[in-house]
Amino acid sequence: GNSVTQMEGPVTLSEEAFLTINCTYTATGYPSLFWYVQYPGEGLQLLLKATKADDKGSNKGFEATYRKETTSFHLEKGSVQVSDSAVYFCALSDLPGGATNKLIFGTGTLLAVQP
Amino acid sequence: EPEVTQTPSHQVTQMGQEVILRCVPISNHLYFYWYRQILGQKVEFLVSFYNNEISEKSEIFDDQFSVERPDGSNFTLKIRSTKLEDSAMYFCATGTGSKLQYFGPGTRLTVT
Repeated sequence: GNSVTQMEGPVTLSEEAFLTINCTYTATGYPSLFWYVQYPGEGLQLLLKATKADDKGSNKGFEATYRKETTSFHLEKGSVQVSDSAVYFCALSDLPGGATNKLIFGTGTLLAVQP
Repeated sequence: EPEVTQTPSHQVTQMGQEVILRCVPISNHLYFYWYRQILGQKVEFLVSFYNNEISEKSEIFDDQFSVERPDGSNFTLKIRSTKLEDSAMYFCATGTGSKLQYFGPGTRLTVT
């Protein structure tokens, strides 16, 4: 079945360091891919998305490219800030599983950025 | 910006008791979802709901679970007889039918 695998955390970085959080997926067909972020005490917020191969999603300095050949959607940011400290979830939409588009998530990766 | 809200933020209950978790969707959204995350594990899909009926449910969503939209605004998840293994964070999500889903802050359920 469809699944998402994320690198385990926690990831601890100094401010202004480069960030990569790896995400790979297994899916039939052509799913859409997402990164969600959860700040402490808050819900899951959509960070970025990509709906087809070679698409690059970007938001708030974060980027991820949909790589069909490697079934990956790695999250990157060139210079992290303390305010980026959160849990990051990679997810895919369960297509073509009907109209509900349920999401399948990875385990989440905790990012801690130190000043 | 419109938000999905959930109540309560934390619910503690004894094993065997019924609990109802509530979600207020974004007003023009028609698709509703429940997910849960057991501590340290993946966020898992439970159920989706559209047009006043369940669209899809996972293996987790057994007869102990039910969902409804009783008054056209709240979207509820009921667990009839809670078990220890139901302890988790429960997230409500709503959407317009596109691939985007908007999540609430979650309800932490602790079953003792």
